[in-house]
Amino acid sequence: QLRLQESGPGVVKPSETLFLTCTVSGDSISGSSYYWAWIRQPPGKGPEWIASIFYSGSTYYNPSLKSRVTISVDTSENRFSLKLNSVTAADTALYYCARVYDSSGYFSRPYFDYWGQGALVTVFS
Amino acid sequence: QSVLTQPPSASGTPGQRVTISCSGSSSNIGGNYVYWYQQLPGTAPKVLIYRNNQRPSGVPDRFSGSKSGTSASLAISGLQSEDEADYYCAAWDDSLTGHVVFGGGTKLTVL
Repeated sequence: QLRLQESGPGVVKPSETLFLTCTVSGDSISGSSYYWAWIRQPPGKGPEWIASIFYSGSTYYNPSLKSRVTISVDTSENRFSLKLNSVTAADTALYYCARVYDSSGYFSRPYFDYWGQGALVTVFS
Repeated sequence: QSVLTQPPSASGTPGQRVTISCSGSSSNIGGNYVYWYQQLPGTAPKVLIYRNNQRPSGVPDRFSGSKSGTSASLAISGLQSEDEADYYCAAWDDSLTGHVVFGGGTKLTVL
């Protein structure tokens, strides 16, 4: 059974950098039909896609966040990570990592079939 | 303001059929597949419908999806109390460099 687990700080100060890691267990992160994604959900609001990555390192970013976000993958550790720079209160959210099934050869189908339980991140001074 | 527009709320009584709409544009729903997610309180979203109208294994056939032009709908027949949840539509948007967009969500209440 595939399992995804987010880890990272619960609180980040304004203007600092947020680091989150998603550890994947139960299957290899190097599957050819799968991408890996970060999605966040502010309290009481809908989900917002942040970024996705393929095991080879190909990356895809939400244009609204691209200038502040970096997604990376570590196939040897079967995990992927998110870095978000210059955080503000607007970045307070539940951050999910998820697997994306997309056999098209190019990330373009938001079929998030497995999700982590989510990591609550609060930006607070 | 979400790119995909959903009604904020919907309701029905047990056994009824309810539909939830999702309106977009030619750059997202009009040219790409639509996906529907169910989020029960305190849990991560779960995919209900993929590629407009396909159900993953384990999803009851009471749930169905359709798409026409730049709009999509999720229908739930034989409504049950456990269907009370938030529902979100999602699609790929071809604008800019391409990105995933979600609807704002519909809170379904089973009366």
